[in-house]
Amino acid sequence: AQSVAQPEDQVNVAEGNPLTVKCTYSVSGNPYLFWYVQYPNRGLQFLLKYITGDNLVKGSYGFEAEFNKSQTSFHLKKPSALVSDSALYFCAVREGSARQLTFGSGTQLTVLP
Amino acid sequence: NAGVTQTPKFRVLKTGQSMTLLCAQDMNHEYMYWYRQDPGMGLRLIHYSVGEGTTAKGEVPDGYNVSRLKKQNFLLGLESAAPSQTSVYFCASSYFGSDRGNQPQHFGDGTRLSIL
Repeated sequence: AQSVAQPEDQVNVAEGNPLTVKCTYSVSGNPYLFWYVQYPNRGLQFLLKYITGDNLVKGSYGFEAEFNKSQTSFHLKKPSALVSDSALYFCAVREGSARQLTFGSGTQLTVLP
Repeated sequence: NAGVTQTPKFRVLKTGQSMTLLCAQDMNHEYMYWYRQDPGMGLRLIHYSVGEGTTAKGEVPDGYNVSRLKKQNFLLGLESAAPSQTSVYFCASSYFGSDRGNQPQHFGDGTRLSIL
């Protein structure tokens, strides 16, 4: 069975500082990993994905994520946070044979001016 | 290009009433999904469809039915609404693609449903 955990419900960071939103996963085969962002009263928007290849994945709005197989992690990062990055972030996983994604519980990111 | 459109945006029902949530996509996507979002629980998959006329159960299918009579539409039905079904419902769609289902999902803006 596939599962994903986001250990932090809330992350606060000052504008201009680097940010990290954590995600760990569990699958029985190869993982396919995704990050989505949700703004208030909107649906989720795709940020980036890891399928195979380079462990550092670059996505939209300056976000990147690092896949670490030994630690079963896929943390979302950005070198310099913006107030407009404040939103709810979801990590999701799909293992090779599955047809659906499993989402984490979400992390609320607040960037303080 | 509208993307994924959900109707209605808000609805209040009484226990035992029935209703249908409508989802339409104009991207010619093969896959469509219905999720519910509850505080602290992320998104949970209710039902999904890999093509016209085909549906499958997700993680939390009880109390819901779906139909996909046309490729662009995916309907979610509540036959007898219960307070536990109070939630925000999201529809999503994705292209199947040559990488076998790893295309991003595109989401609608949700239907906020309250069951009294």
